[in-house]
Amino acid sequence: DGGITQSPKYLFRKEGQNVTLSCEQNLNHDAMYWYRQDPGQGLRLIYYSQIVNDFQKGDIAEGYSVSREKKESFPLTVTSAQKNPTAFYLCASSRDTGELYGYTFGSGTRLTVV
Amino acid sequence: EDKVVQSPLSLVVHEGDTVTLNCSYEVTNFRSLLWYKQEKKAPTFLFMLTSSGIEKKSGRLSSILDKKELSSILNITATQTGDSAIYLCAVGRRGAQKLVFGQGTRLTINP
Repeated sequence: DGGITQSPKYLFRKEGQNVTLSCEQNLNHDAMYWYRQDPGQGLRLIYYSQIVNDFQKGDIAEGYSVSREKKESFPLTVTSAQKNPTAFYLCASSRDTGELYGYTFGSGTRLTVV
Repeated sequence: EDKVVQSPLSLVVHEGDTVTLNCSYEVTNFRSLLWYKQEKKAPTFLFMLTSSGIEKKSGRLSSILDKKELSSILNITATQTGDSAIYLCAVGRRGAQKLVFGQGTRLTINP
């Protein structure tokens, strides 16, 4: 079955540590997205990518980095520069740009700073 | 600045009640409005509304797009505890590369 797989489901980070969240899709979608979800704030866009080897900053990119070396994969690194990283992170993908096909979401990674 | 606003942010009702969730938007080059249901982890797609499809229905759920008022409603009739979730509204724009999401409405159905 096609879908998006995010791993790990839960992640604990120590202060000053970089961590990488994995996102893999086998839907043959061109576009991939990373969102952060905090209680009461909906989804906020971190980074997105329309094609391999190209990506753009979203609304809250500071303290995060991404890569898109393969169509199937769009990992997100939460760096030590991100001051408040505790949140639920969702990865999504879409055919084309999403406004006519919508997004397919992964099951998310809950990141906690300890 | 593009904006999508959902109301209410939180709603608690009893099983069997009918609920109406609201989504209003201010965006340039509107193309589509989407509703998602998020129960625990991954949001799942409910409806997409466009200029050529302003009303959708699936079982007890229905949604209408009002392009004049720049808004949409999501109706759920005869609610069940399984309807408890966060409902997300998102708007797609022509030529844009991403959807704009609202804050979500947390719906709780008590037995």
